[in-house]
Amino acid sequence: DIQMTQSPPSLSPSVGDRVTITCRASQGIGDSLAWYQQKAGKAPKLLIYGSSTLQSGVPSRFRGSGFGTHFTLTISSLQPEDAATYYCQKYDSVPLSFGPGTKVAIQ
Amino acid sequence: EVQLVESGGGLMQPGESLRLSCAASGFNVRVNYMNWVRQAPGRGLEWVSLIYRDDIPDYADSVKGRFTISRDDSMNMVYLQMNSLRGDDSAVYYCVRQSHGMDVWGQGTAVTVSS
Repeated sequence: DIQMTQSPPSLSPSVGDRVTITCRASQGIGDSLAWYQQKAGKAPKLLIYGSSTLQSGVPSRFRGSGFGTHFTLTISSLQPEDAATYYCQKYDSVPLSFGPGTKVAIQ
Repeated sequence: EVQLVESGGGLMQPGESLRLSCAASGFNVRVNYMNWVRQAPGRGLEWVSLIYRDDIPDYADSVKGRFTISRDDSMNMVYLQMNSLRGDDSAVYYCVRQSHGMDVWGQGTAVTVSS
């Protein structure tokens, strides 16, 4: 099975900072990569699919990129409401594995 | 409004069985891939099961042989039958529509397995 890893596990940026989260797949998955945001006590929310396509209604400060085994989620200017845990997920084939998550705590 | 509402969670003993239900509204479950994803307390997200449009199921290794996903197109419902429950099955279980990525999530239903 393909393993998904994320880095860093956590970070504490300030409002206005540019934030980059990395996701790696142990084998190539093309662009079958999605990013989710999960706030405490809530269900996850789809941010990006197809590695770089912004889900409807998601602010344009979120950007995804990558192909194959290396992917990034960038938040261009962090806002207070972006405090959450972010997960990547492969969906090219089962198992539809998630990364372990990156917790973003606003400083 | 597109919505998923799960029900059926509860406190169970190891070895018992439980069926989770997911009521969909605003779209047809039969034309989408439908999933169950779980999250143990304080842990990350774990994909559990998927049912394809042609009614073919798929499962994570951790639940294969114990869990069964099914769908009732007339009721627009998805189910997860969970047998031989174990402590590590304790989690919030989410019903999730998969379109481009997992784009619609329910609010989750909690399952606790403890003696």
